[in-house]
Amino acid sequence: DVKVTQSSRYLVKRTGEKVFLECVQDMDHENMFWYRQDPGLGLRLIYFSYDVKMKEKGDIPEGYSVSREKKERFSLILESASTNQTSMYLCASSRTSGGHETQYFGPGTRLLVL
Amino acid sequence: AQSVSQHNHHVILSEAASLELGCNYSYGGTVNLFWYVQYPGQHLQLLLKYFSGDPLVKGIKGFEAEFIKSKFSFNLRKPSVQWSDTAEYFCAVNASPSGTYKYIFGTGTRLKVLA
Repeated sequence: DVKVTQSSRYLVKRTGEKVFLECVQDMDHENMFWYRQDPGLGLRLIYFSYDVKMKEKGDIPEGYSVSREKKERFSLILESASTNQTSMYLCASSRTSGGHETQYFGPGTRLLVL
Repeated sequence: AQSVSQHNHHVILSEAASLELGCNYSYGGTVNLFWYVQYPGQHLQLLLKYFSGDPLVKGIKGFEAEFIKSKFSFNLRKPSVQWSDTAEYFCAVNASPSGTYKYIFGTGTRLKVLA
């Protein structure tokens, strides 16, 4: 079974803090994704990566950055957290297979920025 | 730009009722279509997917979806829902070949099944 793990289930941070969210997958997947999930807005893609050290902006990259130094690990960084970044953050991974690939999701990190 | 619309935001049904959740997408080329489900307190998981072939796709737990290309739709159905189907359901599209690995998700439909 594919396993995608996220470093924290719940996180409380203060405005202006630097926040790191870590995601690890154990299935040697090429692609990794970061989404935020907000009520009524569904899942919105922040960044994705299709290879080590490669990254592409998703639909809402502002205020975020990412790092992929190893194939299994994809980190989301909030350089200076703001209250509007309070959300549920979901990591996902998938194999490369011409768009046919299923995404496997982690359990999510619920971030509260005060 | 690609988009996915789920018109039903909240659905409440009694057990044994039939379910149909709408999903429409906007993209003129070849698409890959998915339904994901998120049970309370659990992570998103795949319910079913369509790539090609038979437009009627069967998934887990008795769910099925029909791809109607002319209507740009991929509606999810279940003949008789159970209380355990209470969850949030997301439709997703990946256009192929798009040159990207991006998925576009709908805003989700919250289903509540009354026992």
